[in-house]
Amino acid sequence: AQTVTQSQPEMSVQEAETVTLSCTYDTSESDYYLFWYKQPPSRQMILVIRQEAYKQQNATENRFSVNFQKAAKSFSLKISDSQLGDAAMYFCALTSGTYKYIFGTGTRLKVLA
Amino acid sequence: GAGVSQTPSNKVTEKGKYVELRCDPISGHTALYWYRQSLGQGPEFLIYFQGTGAADDSGLPNDRFFAVRPEGSVSTLKIQRTERGDSAVYLCASSPGRGETQYFGPGTRLLVL
Repeated sequence: AQTVTQSQPEMSVQEAETVTLSCTYDTSESDYYLFWYKQPPSRQMILVIRQEAYKQQNATENRFSVNFQKAAKSFSLKISDSQLGDAAMYFCALTSGTYKYIFGTGTRLKVLA
Repeated sequence: GAGVSQTPSNKVTEKGKYVELRCDPISGHTALYWYRQSLGQGPEFLIYFQGTGAADDSGLPNDRFFAVRPEGSVSTLKIQRTERGDSAVYLCASSPGRGETQYFGPGTRLLVL
């Protein structure tokens, strides 16, 4: 069975600072994909970043980057220069050969002015 | 182009009634997913369509839930004899294919009284 675990229900960061959100996963597949999604209060889920498991290089998107540790099955999200608009629920997700996407329980990020 | 749309945005119904929730995916996306999201939780997989066929319906909680996608585009999630425990946000997502980014709709908030 595939699982995704987010152990931080809530995190806070000062505006302009850096924060890291944790995610661990488990799958027996060798070919899989990992995602971070953002869900603001408007509830529309938006992709933040995507990582293919076969790629060694960590994905980056502007202020967002991941630390993908395949052996440890860890996929953390780093947000640099945090902005007030980054405040949202963040979900880690996994998909592999079954086509099913498994989501974690989420981390609520608060950005303090 | 247009994103994923869902109608209605909110639905209030009485226990025992029948409801239909509609999803219009992004044009050309062959994969379509339905999720249920309870308060404070991540999206929970319900069913996945590849084209017109339900490739994986293992997430449907019981036989009161049914979904169709007759022409490989629009999908309808149908819930019979609704129960209070069915109250949640129902999310739809589409993607071009396996491992690709899912694009989510804004969701339908269902409240069963």
